[in-house]
Amino acid sequence: IAGITQAPTSQILAAGRRMTLRCTQDMRHNAMYWYRQDLGLGLRLIHYSNTAGTTGKGEVPDGYSVSRANTDDFPLTLASAVPSQTSVYFCASSEQGEPYNEQFFGPGTRLTVL
Amino acid sequence: QKEVEQNSGPLSVPEGAIASLNCTYSDRVSQSFFWYRQYSGKSPELIMSIYSNGDKEDGRFTAQLNKASQYVSLLIRDSQPSDSATYLCAGVDSNYQLIWGAGTKLIIKP
Repeated sequence: IAGITQAPTSQILAAGRRMTLRCTQDMRHNAMYWYRQDLGLGLRLIHYSNTAGTTGKGEVPDGYSVSRANTDDFPLTLASAVPSQTSVYFCASSEQGEPYNEQFFGPGTRLTVL
Repeated sequence: QKEVEQNSGPLSVPEGAIASLNCTYSDRVSQSFFWYRQYSGKSPELIMSIYSNGDKEDGRFTAQLNKASQYVSLLIRDSQPSDSATYLCAGVDSNYQLIWGAGTKLIIKP
């Protein structure tokens, strides 16, 4: 593993289903983030974690949950998917949970909810 | 007004010319800014950060911050076809999180 990995690469999901997007980093970064990217809206922060064991809500947290049991993993769960959650999801990490630290992004997960 | 605003483009620039990308921001965004580049289908990567009023140069890239006018720009000198990408501007909001513009698509024509 080098950097940040995300799985799956893409997924088509029926509305109402539960889905977990996985994110793993091997850089020992303290902070991790989940963004969604939609055309014309740019990147929007869903949830973040400044360190293992802590999480916080971003700009668009409704319908999503996260956990940070350890430094490396930061899964994002959609409890009951809706079509408006169709998007490209990026996981990112930074050395510290300060915005001045460069954020490194994973390759993204393209999610379609039908 | 969006907190961080960019013209979506596309901005078309001939190879070898200077590409100028602009970003404006609201009062809710502090005066620390970042430019990320995102190739089509790929993830964003950091190009430049700027915290102080004025210019900051790094190779062919120059970031400019004008606090009085609330805009930040990115100049790319000697533009190359490999510079064709979407450029994302991000600033820090009052919650100490990055707020992103929607991005400007840049096309460098050979």
